Amino acid sequence: EAGVAQSPRYKIIEKRQSVAFWCNPISGHATLYWYQQILGQGPKLLIQFQNNGVVDDSQLPKDRFSAERLKGVDSTLKIQPAKLEDSAVYLCASSRGRGVDEQYFGPGTRLTVT
Amino acid sequence: AQSVSQHNHHVILSEAASLELGCNYSYGGTVNLFWYVQYPGQHLQLLLKYFSGDPLVKGIKGFEAEFIKSKFSFNLRKPSVQWSDTAEYFCAVNAGYNQGGKLIFGQGTELSVKP
Repeated sequence: EAGVAQSPRYKIIEKRQSVAFWCNPISGHATLYWYQQILGQGPKLLIQFQNNGVVDDSQLPKDRFSAERLKGVDSTLKIQPAKLEDSAVYLCASSRGRGVDEQYFGPGTRLTVT
Repeated sequence: AQSVSQHNHHVILSEAASLELGCNYSYGGTVNLFWYVQYPGQHLQLLLKYFSGDPLVKGIKGFEAEFIKSKFSFNLRKPSVQWSDTAEYFCAVNAGYNQGGKLIFGQGTELSVKP
């Protein structure tokens, strides 16, 4: 079974530029999560999708971050404009359903904002 | 709000030493508890989980954890560590189905095992 795929793996941009990350979850997984992991901290949930609907985006900075999950499969997370404090690893995870199903994580995208 | 606290930021042990990593959470209701591990250069992966029943749960690679409800704790243990256990360990809590699967992570503990 293929795991969660993410791209790019690394990205360096200047502040005020925009950036987009892509995630392909495990086939058949209905729930998709985006987490932000700042150096020295644990992952923090940004947004959760159930199929193509948003379940929880309470910690997504909506003035600059946006995410979509077209057709309930792939997802993109965008930052526009980026700030220095957005430097982090962005992790995508997927699970079969909601609730307590095991979440499978992708390798992450390491973003550096200069 | 729910939170998870891991007691140690960095632990250094010699091979064959015993390991215990502390984890405390704040939430008064029913919780599901997890330990995730991230080996150098690899993805986060599930080490073990507690949903209900026996509070002592066993995971992969000889790890176990004990849920003590009265202490809001879920400490991770291993009797004898190996060099290959060098990794970062994250404790996480999920407050059940109504929370939609949202995991709250601790800040992580980096374990370095000296050969």
